Amino acid sequence: SQTIHQWPATLVQPVGSPLSLECTVEGTSNPNLYWYRQAAGRGLQLLFYSVGIGQISSEVPQNLSASRPQDRQFILSSKKLLLSDSGFYLCAWSVIPLALGTQYFGPGTRLLVL
Amino acid sequence: AQSVTQLGSHVSVSEGALVLLRCNYSSSVPPYLFWYVQYPNQGLQLLLKYTTGATLVKGINGFEAEFKKSETSFHLTKPSAHMSDAAEYFCAVSGANTGNQFYFGTGTSLTVIP
Repeated sequence: SQTIHQWPATLVQPVGSPLSLECTVEGTSNPNLYWYRQAAGRGLQLLFYSVGIGQISSEVPQNLSASRPQDRQFILSSKKLLLSDSGFYLCAWSVIPLALGTQYFGPGTRLLVL
Repeated sequence: AQSVTQLGSHVSVSEGALVLLRCNYSSSVPPYLFWYVQYPNQGLQLLLKYTTGATLVKGINGFEAEFKKSETSFHLTKPSAHMSDAAEYFCAVSGANTGNQFYFGTGTSLTVIP
């Protein structure tokens, strides 16, 4: 069966510090991968998605970036965190073609920037 | 572009009462429709989905939803609310004209009153 892992579960970082959140998927090959952010009391905002190694699409201009160094690994990064980067970050995967599939979500990472 | 509207960001029901969470979408092409549930500090879990076929879809935990094309709706219902149903619920849409993306509603927080 497929599983998705995210770490860390919780992170407290000072403004201006770097960020690296990791997401890995097991039990499937060549998945679509997604990063979402969920701010307090708000819905899901799609940040990045990837259809393959090295292929990243960005949905919202921001100081975040994403990379996919391996088929089942998706990394969210920042060189300098802002207060507004606080939120709950969710990684998700789906099979291709997306339109027939379902997105499966990881447990999330709670990020607090102080 | 696709959009999903969830009417009512907060819904309260008494334990044992009917649960009705509303979702409307905008799409010129019949979409695929999903309901997800999110418990505090957790990722999203798929409740049910509609792709093709029967318009009344049954999901986990006694929930069901009906796709009504004429009303562009996909409302979520449960005949009798349980305390464990208290959570955030998200409606989502994807389809042939959404590329590799899901579009999520802003969510409805369900409170169950004992």
